[in-house]
Amino acid sequence: QVQLVQSGSEIKSPGASVKVSCKTSGYTFTHYAIHWVRQAPGQGLEWMGWISPGNGDTKYSRKWQGRVTITRDTSASTAYMELSSLTSEDTAVYYCAKLLGHSGSYYVDVWGQGTLVTVSS
Amino acid sequence: QSVLTQPPSASGAPGQRVTISCTGSSSNIGAGFDVHWYQQLPGTAPKLLIYANNNRPSGVPDRFSASKSGTSASLAITGLQAEDEADYYCQSYDSSLSGSYVFGTGTKVTVL
Repeated sequence: QVQLVQSGSEIKSPGASVKVSCKTSGYTFTHYAIHWVRQAPGQGLEWMGWISPGNGDTKYSRKWQGRVTITRDTSASTAYMELSSLTSEDTAVYYCAKLLGHSGSYYVDVWGQGTLVTVSS
Repeated sequence: QSVLTQPPSASGAPGQRVTISCTGSSSNIGAGFDVHWYQQLPGTAPKLLIYANNNRPSGVPDRFSASKSGTSASLAITGLQAEDEADYYCQSYDSSLSGSYVFGTGTKVTVL
């Protein structure tokens, strides 16, 4: 079955960067885009960006543009999200998610389990 | 900062019907982009509940239904059950933000 397995929890200092991985299985990695979504403690879901694993095209939310970089390794069927210049406000659970649908109507059919990133001095 | 607004909470007794609204604008729902709904149980990742306005993935009970009209959408839960207590989010696409995916503010459903 389709699975997205994310890397484990991280504790980072302010100003540092974090890189979260999302290893996929059960489908052709290059055929479906991957979203990254953030959820701060007690808050809602925020879209960060997505990558098209087939050609590497990316699109980022304006909120994080310049601080977030999404990449992929097609040989490992894995997507990555790196967030730089961390502050305490970046403490959150970060999800990767596989997209299904078509232009203007993409939705998430499978989610990763989430990775908790804690930013603390 | 979400462009899709949901009521913070909704509640009902077991067996009752609960509806959740998702209000957008002319650059997202009103522009014809589809609305999707997710259920998030406490401490877990979200789960797809409804896609493309009113379609249920296999395995989702038919107690869950949704609709879309104009710049809004709504999710209905009929025959409310204890296991429906969760957070619910709508999601669509917005063309005004250089094209981006947007989630609703989320609604906590409580089963009384």
